[in-house]
Amino acid sequence: GEDVEQSLFLSVREGDSSVINCTYTDSSSTYLYWYKQEPGAGLQLLTYIFSNMDMKQDQRLTVLLNKKDKHLSLRIADTQTGDSAIYFCAEFSSGSARQLTFGSGTQLTVLP
Amino acid sequence: EAGVAQSPRYKIIEKRQSVAFWCNPISGHATLYWYQQILGQGPKLLIQFQNNGVVDDSQLPKDRFSAERLKGVDSTLKIQPAKLEDSAVYLCASSPGTSGSGQFFGPGTRLTVL
Repeated sequence: GEDVEQSLFLSVREGDSSVINCTYTDSSSTYLYWYKQEPGAGLQLLTYIFSNMDMKQDQRLTVLLNKKDKHLSLRIADTQTGDSAIYFCAEFSSGSARQLTFGSGTQLTVLP
Repeated sequence: EAGVAQSPRYKIIEKRQSVAFWCNPISGHATLYWYQQILGQGPKLLIQFQNNGVVDDSQLPKDRFSAERLKGVDSTLKIQPAKLEDSAVYLCASSPGTSGSGQFFGPGTRLTVL
């Protein structure tokens, strides 16, 4: 079945850039997403990229997709304390499943 | 635009009891999803509705879990009887369709089974 993997933890200093990485296995993925989850809250859709794109930029967020290596990354520029949260990578398959498959999440801690 | 609403936000029950969760999706969204999120993991899809019909319930433990979406709007998810391993956050999400254009999540219901 499909699998999405992320590293569990990332710590950065306030003002630095954060890069959160994700790998996936499903070659029929059509959309890849980044969601943010703050404590006690649901998942907030941050951004997504279509599988025929290499890069997408949205204000402080840059998504890079390497489809050959099935690698997705999220770069947050000028990271702030309010960015501390769990970030989930998810892929949507155009195959028979047609559902979102999530990674286990990366806990981002922003240090002052 | 109002987001996805869920209630209750928290529920504590004893094993073998029953519990029900309610979800009101974003207005006009045809597709509704229920996810289970166990602590330290990503959400796992339990069931997907398109309007009031079930699209995918392959990962729903049907011996104890049931869900319905009457009239294609609100939905309820029920667990009867609950087990200790059902302790999790139950998330409801909705999307305009099924093409992968993004799902929007509610705040979730945190269930603790003692």
